[in-house]
Amino acid sequence: SYELTQPPSVSVSPGQTARITCSGDALAKQYAYWYQQKPGQAPVLVIYKDTETPSGIPERFSGSSSGTTVTLTISGVQAEDEADYYCQSADNSGTFWVFGGGTKLTVL
Amino acid sequence: QVQLVESGGGVVQPGRSLRLSCAASGFAFSSSGMFWVRQAPGKGLEWVAVISYDGSNQNYADSVKGRFTISRDNSKNTLYLQMNSLRAEDTAVYYCETAVTTQGKNYWGQGTLVTVSS
Repeated sequence: SYELTQPPSVSVSPGQTARITCSGDALAKQYAYWYQQKPGQAPVLVIYKDTETPSGIPERFSGSSSGTTVTLTISGVQAEDEADYYCQSADNSGTFWVFGGGTKLTVL
Repeated sequence: QVQLVESGGGVVQPGRSLRLSCAASGFAFSSSGMFWVRQAPGKGLEWVAVISYDGSNQNYADSVKGRFTISRDNSKNTLYLQMNSLRAEDTAVYYCETAVTTQGKNYWGQGTLVTVSS
């Protein structure tokens, strides 16, 4: 079955830049989506189609793609950005979807 | 405003069945693909199933294929998940989610907890 690989944790100090990667064979063909989830809450979409930012999401959130790896970048991290972040995409056929294992972002 | 309200969760014994519902309002439900996503206690998100806007196509994660059925009633703006032969590992919060639109719109329900235990 298809898998997306994320680092389990990333830690940064306030004001620094956080980068969270997501790797998967089909990412060269399929779009990736990034979700932020805070404890006890439903996920919130922060990046769609690799690089697009939904309205209402702060400009410090951005996405990029290179081959089979996509990256979520949070510039000027704030304390409120501490959360779990998940990438999501589909397999090569576009039939089956998968989430990465999630990355816990800690703001020191 | 957009609302997705899941219901039908609860405690069920292994091997039994449960049907979840997701009532949608505030958007064009009949034009939107829909997902079920679950999250086991303390674990990450897991995609469960997807259905096309008109219900003509469905796909399932390997972990639930053959046991779960996703369906929809566009006349009632409601999404369903029929869960049969439930196992302890199906214990999770189940969320319904809209497909992401070309404009980046995406909505989730608040989730409903399913606990499979004897």
